[in-house]
Amino acid sequence: AQRVTQPEKLLSVFKGAPVELKCNYSYSGSPELFWYVQYSRQRLQLLLRHISRESIKGFTADLNKGETSFHLKKPFAQEEDSAMYYCALSGWGRSGQNFVFGPGTRLSVLP
Amino acid sequence: DSGVTQTPKHLITATGQRVTLRCSPRSGDLSVYWYQQSLDQGLQFLIQYYNGEERAKGNILERFSAQQFPDLHSELNLSSLELGDSALYFCASSVLASDTQYFGPGTRLTVL
Repeated sequence: AQRVTQPEKLLSVFKGAPVELKCNYSYSGSPELFWYVQYSRQRLQLLLRHISRESIKGFTADLNKGETSFHLKKPFAQEEDSAMYYCALSGWGRSGQNFVFGPGTRLSVLP
Repeated sequence: DSGVTQTPKHLITATGQRVTLRCSPRSGDLSVYWYQQSLDQGLQFLIQYYNGEERAKGNILERFSAQQFPDLHSELNLSSLELGDSALYFCASSVLASDTQYFGPGTRLTVL
């Protein structure tokens, strides 16, 4: 079964500190992985996807197929990074393509 | 606003009733996705349409159905509503069938 787990419901860090939001997935093939972010009172929006290998707002994520992980990292957290972060997977199952979201991690960056 | 729009914003109804949620995709986007977000289940993919045709199906109940019209807007129909159907329903759209999804603001459904 396709599954995405985010072990931390809430992560608090101080401004300027490094941040890592964990994401693990289970999928038998080669998945496409994404990080979505939802800032307060805003819509869910794509932060980055692994195939583009971009760095957005200082965030990066590396797909580790051996550990089936796609952790999101930023070296120096900013207060404006406080938001809800969702890891998501796009893959193929018996009934076609599927999109699976993790439960989300709320990041709180403290001043 | 050229982004994804959803109507209504809020909907309150009773058990056993039927409701229709509407989604207008971004201009130029051919694909529409529906998601349900509840407190206990998180964001669940329901169904995807591409250029009027059903393309992918997720955890959509038989009481729920959707369609995409020739003008590419989509409707999600929820019938025989139960208390557990209370949730936020999101629509997203993308240019192609497998592409970056742009989300709408959601419709909050409350079933009493």
